[in-house]
Amino acid sequence: AQSVTQPDIHITVSEGASLELRCNYSYGATPYLFWYVQSPGQGLQLLLKYFSGDTLVQGIKGFEAEFKRSQSSFNLRKPSVHWSDAAEYFCAVGAGDMRFGAGTRLTVKP
Amino acid sequence: DSGVTQTPKHLITATGQRVTLRCSPRSGDLSVYWYQQSLDQGLQFLIQYYNGEERAKGNILERFSAQQFPDLHSELNLSSLELGDSALYFCASTPSLSGTGELFFGEGSRLTVL
Repeated sequence: AQSVTQPDIHITVSEGASLELRCNYSYGATPYLFWYVQSPGQGLQLLLKYFSGDTLVQGIKGFEAEFKRSQSSFNLRKPSVHWSDAAEYFCAVGAGDMRFGAGTRLTVKP
Repeated sequence: DSGVTQTPKHLITATGQRVTLRCSPRSGDLSVYWYQQSLDQGLQFLIQYYNGEERAKGNILERFSAQQFPDLHSELNLSSLELGDSALYFCASTPSLSGTGELFFGEGSRLTVL
């Protein structure tokens, strides 16, 4: 069965620092992988997705993620975090009945 | 604005009651998904409809049911409500059946069961 693990429940970084949010997945075939962001009181918005091809994918708001099949990982990165990036981030896998990780809450310190 | 509309935004009701949550997908999207988000369970997939037919089922309780109408809007019916049903219920839509593209989420309906 497909599943997603986000090991970090809460991460705090300083504004301007780099960010990496971890995601590990379990999927029987070639995975469809996604990162979504949820701001307070809002629905989820897609940051980026991976289906095939180049394992480094670029998304919106300066985010990128790298698919590593050998590690079953799809970590999200950003070189320099802005205060407005504070939100909850969800990794997801699958197609149709997409499965989401538990989420990582990002706090940005001034 | 994702283009997905959910009503009501907030709903407070009592245990044992029944509520209906409504979702209007983006124009042209045939696939509608329902998710439940709670603090202890996270974001759980409930059910998917495509062009009026049920296509996939997740962790949906028997007390819950959904349908998609000819105009493609969808309703999630929650009955015999329990305290544990308090959650944020999201609807999402996508043009395709496979869901390999982006899911467009509504802002959710927050249900509080007292």
